[in-house]
Amino acid sequence: NAGVTQTPKFQVLKTGQSMTLQCAQDMNHNSMYWYRQDPGMGLRLIYYSASEGTTDKGEVPNGYNVSRLNKREFSLRLESAAPSQTSVYFCASSSSPGRGPYNEQFFGPGTRLTVL
Amino acid sequence: ILNVEQSPQSLHVQEGDSTNFTCSFPSSNFYALHWYRWETAKSPEALFVMTLNGDEKKKGRISATLNTKEGYSYLYIKGSQPEDSATYLCAFWGNTGKLIFGQGTTLQVKP
Repeated sequence: NAGVTQTPKFQVLKTGQSMTLQCAQDMNHNSMYWYRQDPGMGLRLIYYSASEGTTDKGEVPNGYNVSRLNKREFSLRLESAAPSQTSVYFCASSSSPGRGPYNEQFFGPGTRLTVL
Repeated sequence: ILNVEQSPQSLHVQEGDSTNFTCSFPSSNFYALHWYRWETAKSPEALFVMTLNGDEKKKGRISATLNTKEGYSYLYIKGSQPEDSATYLCAFWGNTGKLIFGQGTTLQVKP
């Protein structure tokens, strides 16, 4: 099992460009999450998907959109990148949403994004 | 706004020392408290998921305790080794339906 995979690992964008970060998991998990990690701050939730076909905003959703393509894949899109979106982005997944608090989250390797 | 605070922010110890750090979280609407270890250039990995007041969990030399009434959890490492060097994250699950992470405690163990 590959676990949670993310592409790309690194990306440099110019202000105003768009891009999509891809995430896939092979653990048959229902819930998937996108976080961003900034220096001196904890992981902050951008969007999550409790099950296939549903998505909800987290703490910092502005400037992002998501798509839960199927049970395996959850993508994050930046429509018009801004320097404030320079960050490390982590995708995560966990088991059934009904037991959401009680199941650990499994994280991908991260995408380091720089917006110039 | 829910605050999850971890202290200290960073810690340097000698190999063989025992150490502990704290996670503070809201004492109301508690569902679970997670601990993750995050090694440099890797992804966070779960250590413990704690759900009951008074819960104690142990994995090798690492253990954790939970007090939901006063809103804190302690993580203990006995006989620290260089491979324990990492950032330790705690995360609180309350009635928002999502994990709220603290900013982490970074541990450096010197050989």
